[in-house]
Amino acid sequence: QVQLQESGPGLVKPSETLSLTCNVSGGSISSFSWTWIRQPPGKGLEWIGSIFYSGGANYNPSLKSRVTISVDTSKNQVSLRLTSVTAADTAVYYCARDARYSTSSGEFDPWGLGTLVTVSS
Amino acid sequence: DIQMTQSPSSLSASVGDRVTITCRASQSISGYLNWYQQKPGLAPKLLIYTASTLHGGVPSRFSGSGSGTDFTLTISSLQPEDFATYYCQKSSGREYTFGQGTKLEIK
Repeated sequence: QVQLQESGPGLVKPSETLSLTCNVSGGSISSFSWTWIRQPPGKGLEWIGSIFYSGGANYNPSLKSRVTISVDTSKNQVSLRLTSVTAADTAVYYCARDARYSTSSGEFDPWGLGTLVTVSS
Repeated sequence: DIQMTQSPSSLSASVGDRVTITCRASQSISGYLNWYQQKPGLAPKLLIYTASTLHGGVPSRFSGSGSGTDFTLTISSLQPEDFATYYCQKSSGREYTFGQGTKLEIK
């Protein structure tokens, strides 16, 4: 079965760029839509953005100017880039796959384990 | 932007109780509403999609209903493993906003 594993620096300095990778094993990333979600410590879930199986991406309007999500089919990876980070970007970051093949249903399953990124000097 | 509001924010209940959590959308989202369960330190899990369809492996004591702007998640008889935080999430329009969550605690 497909498994997702987020990876990247656990500590990023303010004003720098946060870059994370979601490594997908046990299945191809092709023909699925992929999403990044984050959760600040002790708080709720925030949708960051999604990249769709058919091409194109959509982002949370509150983050849109700073976010880029991309896929690398040769490496079976999904990537997140968030620029100009501040302490407010400190969170556990999750990648998730759309539950349905060749659609953008917005139903997320499975999820990765998540990775904590702290923004601090 | 469509906002998702859950109530209550927290809830205390006992094993065997029937509980209902409400999710309201600021505009109609038809039936494009999902529910997730999250336990401490773990990633959320999909429970219900399109308002009322149970995801594979989810016990039948969970049910969902609603359409338009008002939705509910009901657990018919709470089990010890159900104490967790529950989130609703809209899946319409390719903007996937979550509710703020409802923490279900043991009374």
